[in-house]
Formats: sequence, C-alpha cells, structure tokens
Amino acid sequence: GAVVSQHPSWVICKSGTSVKIECRSLDFQATTMFWYRQFPKQSLMLMATSNEGSKATYEQGVEKDKFLINHASLTLSTLTVTSAHPEDSSFYICSAAGRTHTGELFFGEGSRLTVL
Amino acid sequence: GENVEQHPSTLSVQEGDSAVIKCTYSDSASNYFPWYKQELGKGPQLIIDIRSNVGEKKDQRIAVTLNKTAKHFSLHITETQPEDSAVYFCAARASGNTPLVFGKGTRLSVIA
Repeated sequence: GAVVSQHPSWVICKSGTSVKIECRSLDFQATTMFWYRQFPKQSLMLMATSNEGSKATYEQGVEKDKFLINHASLTLSTLTVTSAHPEDSSFYICSAAGRTHTGELFFGEGSRLTVL
Repeated sequence: GENVEQHPSTLSVQEGDSAVIKCTYSDSASNYFPWYKQELGKGPQLIIDIRSNVGEKKDQRIAVTLNKTAKHFSLHITETQPEDSAVYFCAARASGNTPLVFGKGTRLSVIA
C-alpha cells in the first residue's frame, strides 16, 4: 500500500510553546489529508480535513486558531499546535487520500505529544 | 452525519478459536468499510476492507461481511494467534473526500 510518513513520532514540550507535526505522502499525491486525535484507550476523532491549496475544514469543537493546518503541497500537510497545554497531550495521526485510491485512506504512524 | 457503533469493546479468545467483531453504521451513503488493527503506540494499519457492491471478502484468516440492508458489517478472524492481540477499529465513509468515521474499537486478547 501507499506510504504516509509522520514526523516526529514523539515530542515533549513545555506548556505555552508551539509544536509542528509533519505528514508526508511518500509515493502518491495526497489531494486530501485528514488529521485525527486519539486519547488513551479511545477511538480516533477527526479534527480537520485539508485539501491541497485550500483552507482546512475543522470539526465542531476544534479550535482552528489553536490547531493550525497547512496543506501547501500534494505531498505535505502540517499540524501546528500553538500555545500547547497539558490537555493537548495526545496521539495525533494523519491520513491521506490520493486521486487514484478510491475510498482507501493511508495512515501515518502517529505523533505522541506530551505537554509538560 | 455518519455514526459507527462497534461491539464488543473487549474480546478474549483462546488461541486457535475464532473472533468476531460487529459494527453498524447509520449513513446509507457510506460505501467503503475498512478494518484497522492498531498496536500500542502505533498508527492504524489497514487489514481488510469491503465496498458496498460486495457482500463478503476474505484474505487468509481474515474475512469481512457486509449487510447493506441492515447497515452492519463484521470482521471474522479464524485460527487466532497471540500476535492478533491488538485494538481493532471498524470505519465507514462515503465516496469523495469524506473522512473515515471510526467505531470505538475492540481490544482483542488472544490467550495462548
């Protein structure tokens, strides 16, 4: 299957700082990328949908000014958690869909954020 | 929007036995139903999927069935092995650029 690379795989930061997570599709062009958040022992909850070259669409309850999403190219989307607080500590996972992959979504390995 | 229910939340089976996980969905427009296996600290891995024009699909020890009328689909794992122990998620989505909606997951434990 197609490969989606996510970086970093884990990050620890101080409260109030910003953290950027990258999601790259390595062998296909991702027209749409989805960002999910997963708290311990819970399911994946969609945060936002981003289409290349346009603004992301955020799910209800997700602050767009706190979770900045950029999808500037067909192979890269970034999620920046601004002014992170301990309650933002979670597992963030991106997934990507390509033009030729009907229905299928390919997931990155996830990024575990711990805010102290 | 779509709502996916998944049962059971936990499942323990003896090695060699079969495991069945069931999901229901609400949106009749959904036409793609994947199953993911997630190991601790890792992202979800697609293990099998089925589309709405197919009623059953099998890949070695894993099979998925879909009943569009009843809006439910199931994962069947036969001859379970300890390495099958993980959290399994079902999901559903309609066509186009719609996101996957996940069930709450099933923690499968295969006891040797």
